[in-house]
Amino acid sequence: NAGVTQTPKFRVLKTGQSMTLLCAQDMNHEYMYWYRQDPGMGLRLIHYSVGEGTTAKGEVPDGYNVSRLKKQNFLLGLESAAPSQTSVYFCASSYGTEAFFGQGTRLTVV
Amino acid sequence: DQQVKQNSPSLSVQEGRISILNCDYTNSMFDYFLWYKKYPAEGPTFLISISSIKDKNEDGRFTVFLNKSAKHLSLHIVPSQPGDSAVYFCAARRANTGNQFYFGTGTSLTVIP
Repeated sequence: NAGVTQTPKFRVLKTGQSMTLLCAQDMNHEYMYWYRQDPGMGLRLIHYSVGEGTTAKGEVPDGYNVSRLKKQNFLLGLESAAPSQTSVYFCASSYGTEAFFGQGTRLTVV
Repeated sequence: DQQVKQNSPSLSVQEGRISILNCDYTNSMFDYFLWYKKYPAEGPTFLISISSIKDKNEDGRFTVFLNKSAKHLSLHIVPSQPGDSAVYFCAARRANTGNQFYFGTGTSLTVIP
């Protein structure tokens, strides 16, 4: 039972490069989320989805795009990476009252 | 604007004693509250939760208390064990806005053997 799986676990990008973070869940959850964790800031919601084909902005959406073409996958894209996007990114999924998290992706933008 | 606040960045407790972690929130529309535990280089894991219609929920050594009038919740761990050393995040859910979860900034708990 894999739960929530994030790919990749680590990545270093140069400023201006693009990349996509992949999140996959095998629990048939409707809701999926992307958070970023920064020192002293806790977990902040970037984008979320309430079901296949839907996406919505969270607290800090600027500089990111997302897609949910399949129920089990939620992709987070950075079109032009900036040093301010250096962070640890967590994907989560939920059936309602509890969110289950992936192991995180540590992204460094230089 | 931080809707869920944890004002203590860190807490140290002796093994066997009680750990009390606190959390405040501002939005009265939250209907569910959760505590997550996080070890370094891992994702947060669910610990315990409470519905807004209750004031206490207990699970083994962990108890969560909710005071709706004060918009305050707390997590009690008793007795504390060295393996409890981790960062604890308080979270709150708003079901009517896409089932969003809002998190506090975390409290780093150290249990001293």
